[in-house]
Amino acid sequence: KAGVTQTPRYLIKTRGQQVTLSCSPISGHRSVSWYQQTPGQGLQFLFEYFSETQRNKGNFPGRFSGRQFSNSRSEMNVSTLELGDSALYLCASSRDRDGANVLTFGAGSRLTVL
Amino acid sequence: GDSVTQMEGPVTLSEEAFLTINCTYTATGYPSLFWYVQYPGEGLQLLLKATKADDKGSNKGFEATYRKETTSFHLEKGSVQVSDSAVYFCALSRSGSARQLTFGSGTQLTVLP
Repeated sequence: KAGVTQTPRYLIKTRGQQVTLSCSPISGHRSVSWYQQTPGQGLQFLFEYFSETQRNKGNFPGRFSGRQFSNSRSEMNVSTLELGDSALYLCASSRDRDGANVLTFGAGSRLTVL
Repeated sequence: GDSVTQMEGPVTLSEEAFLTINCTYTATGYPSLFWYVQYPGEGLQLLLKATKADDKGSNKGFEATYRKETTSFHLEKGSVQVSDSAVYFCALSRSGSARQLTFGSGTQLTVLP
């Protein structure tokens, strides 16, 4: 079956711009989570959506936002980009709301801010 | 808060050598523990998991045992291959927050032929 699909895979923006990243989860998965990966901070949790509702949010400024659609696809948006937002943004999906269900990760969207 | 500490890398081994990557955690309650692997240019792939104390997760020759008394989840493999070269991440999730993982800093493994 198809895995988690993230688009675009690579993008370059300049400071002050905004960006929208997309994530299509595995069919049947209703939970989508987002993570930021940087060399300095490692992997950090951004937020998690289930049935179009944000369930958890990490410690990121309000410039980072997201949403989930009725088909479980998710988008995240970063406004007023800063150099420090350059990172690999990973999306992960899982089937159920609770329990130790496995997260399946996409290949990521690599954002470079100039 | 929750935290995961991994042994620092990079680690370089010869093919067929024994691998251990140490991982310890701090968390309240009884978290689930995971090892993920990331190959160059790719996302994370689950390698193995354990959901309660004394559980042993295993996959592709890799093993890790959930040790509550030492709050550890060390990754081991008896004989590494060149294809095992990747970055390995230890992670935990709290009960009820299975989709919110706390990751260690990652350990780069390079296996030489």
